[in-house]
Amino acid sequence: SQQGEEDPQALSIQEGENATMNCSYKTSINNLQWYRQNSGRGLVHLILIRSNEREKHSGRLRVTLDTSKKSSSLLITASRAADTASYFCAAALLQGAQKLVFGQGTRLTINP
Amino acid sequence: DAGVIQSPRHEVTEMGQEVTLRCKPISGHDYLFWYRQTMMRGLELLIYFNNNVPIDDSGMPEDRFSAKMPNASFSTLKIQPSEPRDSAVYFCASSYRVGEPYFGPGTRLTVT
Repeated sequence: SQQGEEDPQALSIQEGENATMNCSYKTSINNLQWYRQNSGRGLVHLILIRSNEREKHSGRLRVTLDTSKKSSSLLITASRAADTASYFCAAALLQGAQKLVFGQGTRLTINP
Repeated sequence: DAGVIQSPRHEVTEMGQEVTLRCKPISGHDYLFWYRQTMMRGLELLIYFNNNVPIDDSGMPEDRFSAKMPNASFSTLKIQPSEPRDSAVYFCASSYRVGEPYFGPGTRLTVT
């Protein structure tokens, strides 16, 4: 079964608002990664947070990780129409960090 | 670099036919991954290679699926015989050591 579960499955907000997506996983991880997928395209790596980190920033992205709860969140601030995409978390397993297990994804729609 | 190259981009075939998907990883990358994406199961890791050697093929659904990496610049995923339930988007990705994987654009397979 999938390691990662994400919520919400779909999120629709107005441009300029912040978007928060959550991810939960089941076993110990080496790191957790977030990806974006535009419709019909491949996945683009956004950010990686290691298991010993609690928070990480990259531009308008903020990721948190709570290993005690086995959960992570991705916050996109000041959303733009171009942020419309599906967002996936991926858990890199502790044993075999090359092996990513993806969540089902959150479909984010930014309304102009 | 052109990124990960996959061919064909779209494949439509009849049940029972052999299908071969191809991937050219980014030059210098030593890991290569094959993923499958469906609405029902999301993104699943099928198999990955390190230095052309298959490391983990536990995600390969059944004996109808096989993957090879004859050299560092080429890999194939073969389905023989194909079935309608194999319809999906198949992604190839490559990475250097345990770095972030770079995904190709995917091959959309439809088996009728």
